[in-house]
Parts: sequence; structure tokens; C-alpha cells
Amino acid sequence: DAGVIQSPRHEVTEMGQEVTLRCKPISGHNSLFWYRQTMMRGLELLIYFNNNVPIDDSGMPEDRFSAKMPNASFSTLKIQPSEPRDSAVYFCASSLKGGLVDIQYFGAGTRLSVL
Amino acid sequence: GQQLNQSPQSMFIQEGEDVSMNCTSSSIFNTWLWYKQDPGEGPVLLIALYKAGELTSNGRLTAQFGITRKDSFLNISASIPSDVGIYFCAGQRRAGGTSYGKLTFGQGTILTVHP
Repeated sequence: DAGVIQSPRHEVTEMGQEVTLRCKPISGHNSLFWYRQTMMRGLELLIYFNNNVPIDDSGMPEDRFSAKMPNASFSTLKIQPSEPRDSAVYFCASSLKGGLVDIQYFGAGTRLSVL
Repeated sequence: GQQLNQSPQSMFIQEGEDVSMNCTSSSIFNTWLWYKQDPGEGPVLLIALYKAGELTSNGRLTAQFGITRKDSFLNISASIPSDVGIYFCAGQRRAGGTSYGKLTFGQGTILTVHP
């Protein structure tokens, strides 16, 4: 069974460019999370979707970041314009929310370098 | 920001040694999770703990949910080179009401195993 699939695995771009990260959650999961990982701040939750609807976007750094989930099998995280301080590893995770406990399964991540 | 204190930050051990790491929190969690992150990959769930006082094993891994619900530890016995990676604890509150099962992560423990 395929896990969470993220693309691209690596992205190198120049400051000011638009960056789009993609995620395909595990089939049947109804919750999707975007995280950012840096040495300084560890793993930070950026945004959480449930049934394709954004529920908690309090972790989104600023207006340059936006996320969408047009359907249950696809989500994007966009940064426009990108800045060097956005360099990090971005993870997507999905889970099946419905009981008292939901386990999040992570993708392999996208390593973003903004020059 | 993160509310979990994970220690130690890093460990350098010889193959065959046992390892212990722990997480403490200022607030109560309903579930404790331990994840491992290999270089260049996303976190993978190792053990999930659902009840205060619970002791769970998974092969050479043993984890416990503290009786106060504010702490957890992970032990690895007879370490091997493939145990190398970053280990994260994560606390989760019960989904329901305003809580959606958001994960709060520790800072991670970097484990190096010398053959």
C-alpha cells in the first residue's frame, strides 16, 4: 500500500520565485497536515485539513504561504515569493480521523533550498 | 511553539549498548507517540501509547506512558547500526471538541551507533 507521496523530493530556487510543493495522502485518509522542519525550530505544524477543508492554519508563517486541497487525494503548499529563510524540509502527513486516536503517517519530505 | 522537553539531545553509543531517552511536558497528553526519522526521510511511527502507566514493547523497543500523563520514555536494547537516526516523541490530546488530535513534538534525540 502506497504511503504519503510528496513531490518534488528536492527543490532549489532563487529568492523571489514561486515554489509549489505537492502531496498525495494515503487513500481513504480524511486528514492532511503540512509541517516544516528546521534545525532551529524542529517540526512545526503549518496547516491542517479535514475532509479537504482547512481547519487550523495558525502555523502558516505569513501571507506568502498558501495551501489548498482541491480533493481528497491532492494538496499543494505554495510559497510566493520565496525567501532564503524558507529553506527547510517540508513534510506532508495524513491520518484517518474518526476515533479517539488518529495516527499521522508522514511522507518523505521536500527539501527546499532558496538561494 | 513546542511544549515538550526531550532529552538527551544526542547520544553516541557503541553497538550492543542499551539506549534510553525521555520526554516531559508541562501539560497532560492522552496519547504519546514515538517516531524515528532516518536521514532524508520522514518520521515513521515506532510505538503509540494510549493509557497512563502503559508499557509497550515492539521488538527491541520499549516505551512507557508516564502515570501523570506528562511524560514518556523510550528504551532501545542491544543497539545496532541501523538504529541510527533522530527519535521524536509526540504528545496528542484526545480528538473532540476544539481538539483535533494535533501533535506536539519534542526537539528530537540524535542517535549515533558506532559499530
